[in-house]
Amino acid sequence: ETGVTQTPRHLVMGMTNKKSLKCEQHLGHNAMYWYKQSAKKPLELMFVYNFKEQTENNSVPSRFSPECPNSSHLFLHLHTLQPEDSALYLCASSQDGGGHYGYTFGSGTRLTVV
Amino acid sequence: KQEVTQIPAALSVPEGENLVLNCSFTDSAIYNLQWFRQDPGKGLTSLLLIQSSQREQTSGRLNASLDKSSGRSTLYIAASQPGDSATYLCAVEEAGGTSYGKLTFGQGTILTVHP
Repeated sequence: ETGVTQTPRHLVMGMTNKKSLKCEQHLGHNAMYWYKQSAKKPLELMFVYNFKEQTENNSVPSRFSPECPNSSHLFLHLHTLQPEDSALYLCASSQDGGGHYGYTFGSGTRLTVV
Repeated sequence: KQEVTQIPAALSVPEGENLVLNCSFTDSAIYNLQWFRQDPGKGLTSLLLIQSSQREQTSGRLNASLDKSSGRSTLYIAASQPGDSATYLCAVEEAGGTSYGKLTFGQGTILTVHP
């Protein structure tokens, strides 16, 4: 374990479902991130939270809704997804809003939309 | 827009060989560069972090170099082992302003080390 825990590890959902992905870190980091990894594409940044405030939304569709109630927890709420949203969703954290000390990634949630 | 390219896309070698993985980036105004390892279906494990003011970092059998002005980094793996088989990812964080916290990744090099 890296110190960043993601649940669930696997998720299958229908296009009309609503589900949430959870990320938790107890590294004392102040910034958290959501990344998407689709097949045959580089990892793409989705959202950045710095001290619980969203500082970046990388043109992500509104069917993805992030929530950061505190510096240790990050959620990604999903609703009315499309099959092309199937991917590995990775959470990361860093000590500050940049990567001076590097980034720590979780193991990811493998999402399949049917 | 920053672009990161990794060469080769895939590499298959016998155990014991020394390897070089390459990473290039188009905008040299970076804050740092990080190498990660990803096992199939898993998350990313950080290997080495090189700040923009540094030229190289070493950890065990791994050595990463950075030539910021030419937009290149190499990851050197000495005496490769089957356990090194994984996808290796290079990521850069651009410097300045709103670029903090944004990593741009390459597509990775898939490494297979045969016993």
